[in-house]
Order: sequence, then structure tokens, then C-alpha cells
Amino acid sequence: DQQVKQNSPSLSVQEGRISILNCDYTNSMFDYFLWYKKYPAEGPTFLISISSIKDKNEDGRFTVFLNKSAKHLSLHIVPSQPGDSAVYFCAASGNNFNKFYFGSGTKLNVKP
Amino acid sequence: DSGVTQTPKHLITATGQRVTLRCSPRSGDLSVYWYQQSLDQGLQFLIQYYNGEERAKGNILERFSAQQFPDLHSELNLSSLELGDSALYFCASSTIGGEETQYFGPGTRLLVL
Repeated sequence: DQQVKQNSPSLSVQEGRISILNCDYTNSMFDYFLWYKKYPAEGPTFLISISSIKDKNEDGRFTVFLNKSAKHLSLHIVPSQPGDSAVYFCAASGNNFNKFYFGSGTKLNVKP
Repeated sequence: DSGVTQTPKHLITATGQRVTLRCSPRSGDLSVYWYQQSLDQGLQFLIQYYNGEERAKGNILERFSAQQFPDLHSELNLSSLELGDSALYFCASSTIGGEETQYFGPGTRLLVL
């Protein structure tokens, strides 16, 4: 059973505009949520995370929002740049970080 | 470059065979995680090791096994291979395994024919 879901396989955005990537989860026991970015032929790289006690975390152009009541999180990229074109994975973990549950990814294409 | 290395990069084998995938974590990292990514699927957590000991297990098949050696490198053994085992296998490492940031290797692409 998929505990973390990314229902949009792809997203296309114009350079300079906002990219919003969405993620839903089913397990209310998750304590941390993370976003990873993956380029072709490379492993995922950590982008940003948020604790379940927060509803927003910002790092430069990247902001993650968490809505616990809806079991939903989103990643906002503003402004989007062509170099942001990659596959973005949402992941969740308990507070011991022993297991991570990943979504299936959203492929973002930022058009120049 | 994450500092995590995986060998081989590509592997083609036949059903029923056995293969071993190798992972060297970042220097100083004690924890290693293994993941499987099948076509159009997310990364499925398989197993975690910390300093040679198994710490957590995910949906790892009985035909699969792993271990972490004293020099901290890890191997994932896949046996009695089936067509459905074709996937990307990622290894990730972290310092002590109890923090959020993992560093992923480039993966091993396994094709079972």
C-alpha cells in the first residue's frame, strides 16, 4: 500500500513562474517530510524538509507547506528556472529516520 | 558527486540467476540504506544497516539479502531473479542513520531477461 502519493506524473511551467508540486500521505504517524530532486543518471539529492510540528519551511526559492489535517504537502519553487527541470520525489519518515517512504515522483519541466 | 559509490552501473542477467550489488558509503557514514525503484514507481525502501547491524527492514523479498561489512561497505544479494526484479537499485548513506539527510549513489540498473 502506497503511503506517500504523488498524483501528478509531470508538470510543465514557464521560466520565472511558480512551480507547485503536490504530495499526499496516509500515515498520520509520519514526523518528517522531505523533498528530493533527481536528475537523469544520478541518485536523488536532498532538497528541503519539514517537521510535522511546522506548517512551512523556506530555503531560498524553495518552500514546503504542510497541511496535516489534509495529509498534504506541497513544494513551491519561485521563480522556476530551467535548471530546476528534474524529477521531484516526496518522502516521509518517522522521527527515527530508519525507514523512508517515497512517492512515485513528479517530472518538472521548466521551459525557457 | 554525493561521495556514495555503487558498482556495477549496469547489470544484465537471466532469470534464475544471482547477482551482488555493491555500495560504498560516504567517508565517515555508518549507515547504509537500500532502495528499489521499478519502472514509474517511487523508491521502495528495502533495508537499513548501521555499523554492520541490520536496523530496519522494509518490503524486502526473502530472495534478497544484504549485509554491511566491517569496512562499512554494503552488498545487496538478489537471487532466483525474476523479470520483475528489473529495476534501479539505489544505495544511500547517512552519518548515524538517525538524521533526515541521506546521500544517494547513482544507482545500479539491473535488467533481468
